[in-house]
Amino acid sequence: GQNIDQPTEMTATEGAIVQINCTYQTSGFNGLFWYQQHAGEAPTFLSYNVLDGLEEKGRFSSFLSRSKGYSYLLLKELQMKDSASYLCAVGFNDYKLSFGAGTTVTVRA
Amino acid sequence: ETGVTQTPRHLVMGMTNKKSLKCEQHLGHNAMYWYKQSAKKPLELMFVYNFKEQTENNSVPSRFSPECPNSSHLFLHLHTLQPEDSALYLCASSQDLESGWTEAFFGQGTRLTVV
Repeated sequence: GQNIDQPTEMTATEGAIVQINCTYQTSGFNGLFWYQQHAGEAPTFLSYNVLDGLEEKGRFSSFLSRSKGYSYLLLKELQMKDSASYLCAVGFNDYKLSFGAGTTVTVRA
Repeated sequence: ETGVTQTPRHLVMGMTNKKSLKCEQHLGHNAMYWYKQSAKKPLELMFVYNFKEQTENNSVPSRFSPECPNSSHLFLHLHTLQPEDSALYLCASSQDLESGWTEAFFGQGTRLTVV
């Protein structure tokens, strides 16, 4: 939906940093969300960006560049419990979310 | 616990069966959504209700029939499904479609298998 692209899988070591990129078409853009989804569970809200720049929330940060149609989610000090799928979702002018396919992050000891 | 409850969590049904999925939210929200999540694919928006009125039917086949009797409850009635309809069906709610962007809260989903 709406050409939202993110990598399929990423693997990192416990304690490391991982950056998940998301690109989207810019026409009608109205906000970008990141969700975390553990296997068999509901997606849960992580962050929301509507202006350019970095939003920091503890170990998680999200960045947005509206002119480039680009966002990333940065996970720092990775823990085993961070193994999950991370969904990039873009809101357009009709106030409905379009989701990317998700990035599965595997954290290894 | 996100405040959005879906039942059943798992459902196996034959292609000639009729079943219903239920979603209930206790968050005081006025917008409710059905999404389909298939493996390795983006969440697909199926239906949107805002203040009990259907505002979106995203080209969903008629074998899926939504119902929203009030702002707290949402149903998805299923009949004569196909094996390719097997997926995780997620319900979500948000404040409403007029308040601008607010986060959507998701239920844990119903894992549907059509045999």
